[in-house]
Amino acid sequence: DADVTQTPRNRITKTGKRIMLECSQTKGHDRMYWYRQDPGLGLQLIYYSFDVKDINKGEISDGYSVSRQAQAKFSLSLESAIPNQTALYFCATSDPTGGGTDTQYFGPGTRLTVL
Amino acid sequence: DAKTTQPPSMDCAEGRAANLPCNHSTISGNEYVYWYRQIHSQGPQYIIHGLKNNETNEMASLIITEDRKSSTLILPHATLRDTAVYYCIVKGYNFNKFYFGSGTKLNVKP
Repeated sequence: DADVTQTPRNRITKTGKRIMLECSQTKGHDRMYWYRQDPGLGLQLIYYSFDVKDINKGEISDGYSVSRQAQAKFSLSLESAIPNQTALYFCATSDPTGGGTDTQYFGPGTRLTVL
Repeated sequence: DAKTTQPPSMDCAEGRAANLPCNHSTISGNEYVYWYRQIHSQGPQYIIHGLKNNETNEMASLIITEDRKSSTLILPHATLRDTAVYYCIVKGYNFNKFYFGSGTKLNVKP
């Protein structure tokens, strides 16, 4: 979805380096999410944010941190990258409706390789 | 959130309807059924969602059984570009996570 952008699209780094992945959205959604995907598997939630002042851990937050700089921007940091953090990373946004739905819209992904 | 069960793979001839099943026998009353697809390693793409009534949009139709324990995503005229992994997800409003599981790999063949 072109309304959700991620930078960089590809990154190769070395063990121990600090890495930041950025996500921006023009959809005007309050909720934003970070997921990782390992080869052949589904997505796992790392962190999510319901608004600028609300940050929550997902199921695999260890080794990661996030920053919600504005409604439109949500960054994911790897403080000290390790090889098993090599994966595809996706950002998503959502805007729950009064009817009870909460459809998520995903960015194109960042392929991160940690050597 | 309820978990889902999908076949790991399916084949479909180009131009024919693709019917992708999903079992969600533990679904509760306030949980919606969502379908997404992921083409190669791109970001998952939203297709359709529903609560209990059948739904149709420009991409697909969603048929939910009366007891809501299973559903079927229908792509009416599959093309080669529909080759992807299709994920069936059940999610309630108050839960934050989309549990993607392993999905169904749909192979559309000429």
